[in-house]
Amino acid sequence: KQEVTQIPAALSVPEGENLVLNCSFTDSAIYNLQWFRQDPGKGLTSLLLIQSSQREQTSGRLNASLDKSSGRSTLYIAASQPGDSATYLCAVRPLLETNAGKSTFGDGTTLTVKP
Amino acid sequence: EAQVTQNPRYLITVTGKKLTVTCSQNMNHEYMSWYRQDPGLGLRQIYYSMNVEVTDKGDVPEGYKVSRKEKRNFPLILESPSPNQTSLYFCASSLYARTAYYEQYFGPGTRLTVT
Repeated sequence: KQEVTQIPAALSVPEGENLVLNCSFTDSAIYNLQWFRQDPGKGLTSLLLIQSSQREQTSGRLNASLDKSSGRSTLYIAASQPGDSATYLCAVRPLLETNAGKSTFGDGTTLTVKP
Repeated sequence: EAQVTQNPRYLITVTGKKLTVTCSQNMNHEYMSWYRQDPGLGLRQIYYSMNVEVTDKGDVPEGYKVSRKEKRNFPLILESPSPNQTSLYFCASSLYARTAYYEQYFGPGTRLTVT
């Protein structure tokens, strides 16, 4: 059974700092990995999607990398701002030929960026 | 505007009183899914649907029913709600083809309290 772990559970940084969030998964047979942002009491907003054949994806100040063989993904946030404060979750989807439709989420990392 | 909508957003009910949470998407997505989010347990998948009339169990299906009679709608039914179903529920959708699936889009959430 796929398990997804995000460490640390919480992170506090001063404004302007570059930071890395981690996501680990136990089964490397994934189709894609998606990073989300969740503000308190709100829904999930998609940040980046990395297909298993890709190594990284970039959007603005965000860069996500994927090392499928080692079961790891990182989300790099450059020049952090207080508005980046939120919980960040990663989710993996399995290969289409196995358990198509299943989706496994990590518990998230809660980021606080202090002004 | 492309979106996933859920109704109601907030619901307080009593044990045993049947309820339905509706989910609708306007993006012509084949894939839809229901999740529940609980403190300390993260996001867990309840049911998913790969297309009309095709549904399957996620990790925590007990006590829930779903149906997919139309492509845009995927209601979640609690036949006899119990207090342990008090949670924050999310509906999600994505494009899906036999050889690929794409990023998931989430609804705003439904906060359900069962007393």
